[in-house]
Amino acid sequence: DSGVTQTPKHLITATGQRVTLRCSPRSGDLSVYWYQQSLDQGLQFLIQYYNGEERAKGNILERFSAQQFPDLHSELNLSSLELGDSALYFCASSATGTDNSPLHFGNGTRLTVT
Amino acid sequence: GNSVTQMEGPVTLSEEAFLTINCTYTATGYPSLFWYVQYPGEGLQLLLKATKADDKGSNKGFEATYRKETTSFHLEKGSVQVSDSAVYFCALGGSQGNLIFGKGTKLSVKP
Repeated sequence: DSGVTQTPKHLITATGQRVTLRCSPRSGDLSVYWYQQSLDQGLQFLIQYYNGEERAKGNILERFSAQQFPDLHSELNLSSLELGDSALYFCASSATGTDNSPLHFGNGTRLTVT
Repeated sequence: GNSVTQMEGPVTLSEEAFLTINCTYTATGYPSLFWYVQYPGEGLQLLLKATKADDKGSNKGFEATYRKETTSFHLEKGSVQVSDSAVYFCALGGSQGNLIFGKGTKLSVKP
């Protein structure tokens, strides 16, 4: 058990809809990362937060947004969903958000857009 | 930009065979290098890491050496077990701690 909790585990929704994915980091970790895993693109870094502030942005679409709350949990909001957004979304956390601090991953949320 | 290239799978081996999964990287500076493993239905788990050139990371019988001259971080294990069947990801650390992953190599070990 990594200590990172993601909910829900599965999500099925229709095109055009909006969903929210939730992540609780490992106790004591200040940094949260979101990744998208799909068969064709592999693991793509979306965005990173550190202690409530956005720190780094990757290949995140404008239709997607995220935030980290004062209690350090994070939410990833996906809107105007398209079929191509179907993927596994992982949250990870680390203690310091630096190069040497390993990432601890949750078990992911599987999003299916129909 | 920074990138990771790892050998494509799937790789199928018999139990007790020797494993090598190749990984090369392109990066500015000298980032930390990692191997993560993903078992079916689970998130990624850190397998081993190396933070500077010539460092050897090791865990659970797996090893990888940070080779600056060949920009490589190949994963090896002397004798694989059925329980090692999983997807293995090579990754390099970004300046903000985010990881850049290779596409993953699926390993299947047959008894």
